[in-house]
Amino acid sequence: LAKTTQPISMDSYEGQEVNITCSHNNIATNDYITWYQQFPSQGPRFIIQGYKTKVTNEVASLFIPADRKSSTLSLPRVSLSDTAVYYCLVGDKEYGGSQGNLIFGKGTKLSVKP
Amino acid sequence: NAGVTQTPKFQVLKTGQSMTLQCAQDMNHEYMSWYRQDPGMGLRLIHYSVGAGITDQGEVPNGYNVSRSTTEDFPLRLLSAAPSQTSVYFCASRSSGDATNEKLFFGSGTQLSVL
Repeated sequence: LAKTTQPISMDSYEGQEVNITCSHNNIATNDYITWYQQFPSQGPRFIIQGYKTKVTNEVASLFIPADRKSSTLSLPRVSLSDTAVYYCLVGDKEYGGSQGNLIFGKGTKLSVKP
Repeated sequence: NAGVTQTPKFQVLKTGQSMTLQCAQDMNHEYMSWYRQDPGMGLRLIHYSVGAGITDQGEVPNGYNVSRSTTEDFPLRLLSAAPSQTSVYFCASRSSGDATNEKLFFGSGTQLSVL
């Protein structure tokens, strides 16, 4: 059961800002939106999490509109080392448990070129 | 600070063999889970546990068993390996102290090949 939709791949050049948008039309009231980054041969790594409006940390910014049906991960001035797969997730309470569970989709493969 | 530790890193099995993938975390996380990752498929949830003694199925549980006798350990068992189980397996954990905090910590993965 895919809860999110995001582009399969994106290309960029060093120094550019990259925005990856994720659609989550069926997001529940209690769901948070979380983004992960995965490099080849490694496990995913947490990037940023938000509920609404805008969240910023040292790595990225996350923009969430008022209806929360989508979100945009913004990576400022990307470098070659930002080449990775980026996953957008929302909490899935349907799998039970008080905390719900996170379902990963296929992610967006970002390729940064020199 | 070891975080989430998975063993082994690589394993080759013959069809029908059994084995256990080990996962341990030292962060006192109540929630643990197993994912498998196949080329072009992203990560798919196999089983998860919200605490010792409690386990439940994820998206693709068939062919796998789990148990959670301690907070620290969450082994994944393949009773009769099949070629379709060739994949990279990731274990993950997170704190359950805050129900809205869904920050998962992942292990480095186990690459399994079933011949």
